[in-house]
Amino acid sequence: ETGVTQSPTHLIKTRGQQVTLRCSSQSGHNTVSWYQQALGQGPQFIFQYYREEENGRGNFPPRFSGLQFPNYSSELNVNALELDDSALYLCASSSVGLYMNTEAFFGQGTRLTVV
Amino acid sequence: AQSVAQPEDQVNVAEGNPLTVKCTYSVSGNPYLFWYVQYPNRGLQFLLKYITGDNLVKGSYGFEAEFNKSQTSFHLKKPSALVSDSALYFCAVRPRGDYKLSFGAGTTVTVRA
Repeated sequence: ETGVTQSPTHLIKTRGQQVTLRCSSQSGHNTVSWYQQALGQGPQFIFQYYREEENGRGNFPPRFSGLQFPNYSSELNVNALELDDSALYLCASSSVGLYMNTEAFFGQGTRLTVV
Repeated sequence: AQSVAQPEDQVNVAEGNPLTVKCTYSVSGNPYLFWYVQYPNRGLQFLLKYITGDNLVKGSYGFEAEFNKSQTSFHLKKPSALVSDSALYFCAVRPRGDYKLSFGAGTTVTVRA
């Protein structure tokens, strides 16, 4: 098991609502990334945070936003939920070095269902 | 554009037989390459990575992977599969100097007793 924990594990929301997902990074890791894994697909990169600032973003609309806190924990916020947002959301933490060759360690994910 | 291809949706092998899960990539430069495994209702577990050096990389749980630069492939292998290896396997690529991991669609491995 990795030291990355996510909460909640499951969540059901109604279309149009807002949701906040939380992630606690592995000790010593300074970078957190979020991924969306739709059913039957590989994870898709949403964004990455380093030292409390977003330093990379995938092809996701602005209603997907995030935060990283001084203790390196993180939140993913999604506004105006759509049915297609139903997916497993994965948080990954890593200790980014100069060459970015370190592996990412993933949490168990939050299963979001939008109805 | 980066892309990662796992040409087989499913791989079925008998326990004790060798296991191979294929991965090819289309990324400029010399990217970093990773394999992850996902068990039902779980997150991804890191298996191994290729950074540089020897083309044969050894990882967790007896898995290894062979990097072939000319074929831009990074196939995952295990000499003798176990029933407990049954899971979903993902190949991932990160270009050097980049932060984004790009994943393949995954390959479901079933090892029968």
